[in-house]
Amino acid sequence: EVQLVESGGGLVQSGGSLRLSCTASGFTFSSYSINWVRQAPGKGLEWVSYITTSGSTKYYADSVKGRFTISRDNAKNSLYLQMNSLRDEDTAVYYCARGQISGDYLDGMDVWGQGTTVTVSS
Amino acid sequence: QSVLTQPPSASGTPGQRVTISCSGSNSNIGGNFLYWYQQFPGTAPRLLIYRNDQRPSGVPDRFSGSKSGTSASLAISGLRSEDEADYYCAAWDDSLSAWVFGGGTKLTVL
Repeated sequence: EVQLVESGGGLVQSGGSLRLSCTASGFTFSSYSINWVRQAPGKGLEWVSYITTSGSTKYYADSVKGRFTISRDNAKNSLYLQMNSLRDEDTAVYYCARGQISGDYLDGMDVWGQGTTVTVSS
Repeated sequence: QSVLTQPPSASGTPGQRVTISCSGSNSNIGGNFLYWYQQFPGTAPRLLIYRNDQRPSGVPDRFSGSKSGTSASLAISGLRSEDEADYYCAAWDDSLSAWVFGGGTKLTVL
């Protein structure tokens, strides 16, 4: 079964750090670009970051640029999101989502994890 | 304020046809593919329409997408109670180098 499983969420103080993980199974992880997308309580979807298959290209939303870092370890079938200088407005469910087409294409997100919840408290 | 604009709500009765609009600009919808996602409360989003008008396997043909210029729409025909969900449009924005989403439309089946 093609699957993405996020972990690492939790309660953190404002200004603190957290590292999210996303573990893939059921497909060749190294062949797909991956995104992080978040959803604040009661709000809509907000794209956070994107990384290509090799990790050579990364994009970030302006709201997290300079504070969050996306990375991947293809040998471990894992994606990461290092979140620093966390703010109240970073409180959300964080999803990892696979790019639809194998390769470094900006295409739809066809496989999503169940999400991990990050709560930033001041 | 979302880069892509959707109506916050839409509604219809069973069997009806409803449409949800999504408007943007030349840097996103006007120059790139448009995607639609469906989300039920407490669950992850699901890709519903890709590349403007293509359906992934498993998506009923009651769902259809279209795009014209800087606007797009999602149509749901033969509305069913299980279609009650939130719907989001999304596109890559060349100016922002970012994926942008609409604010979402909550569909209610009356």
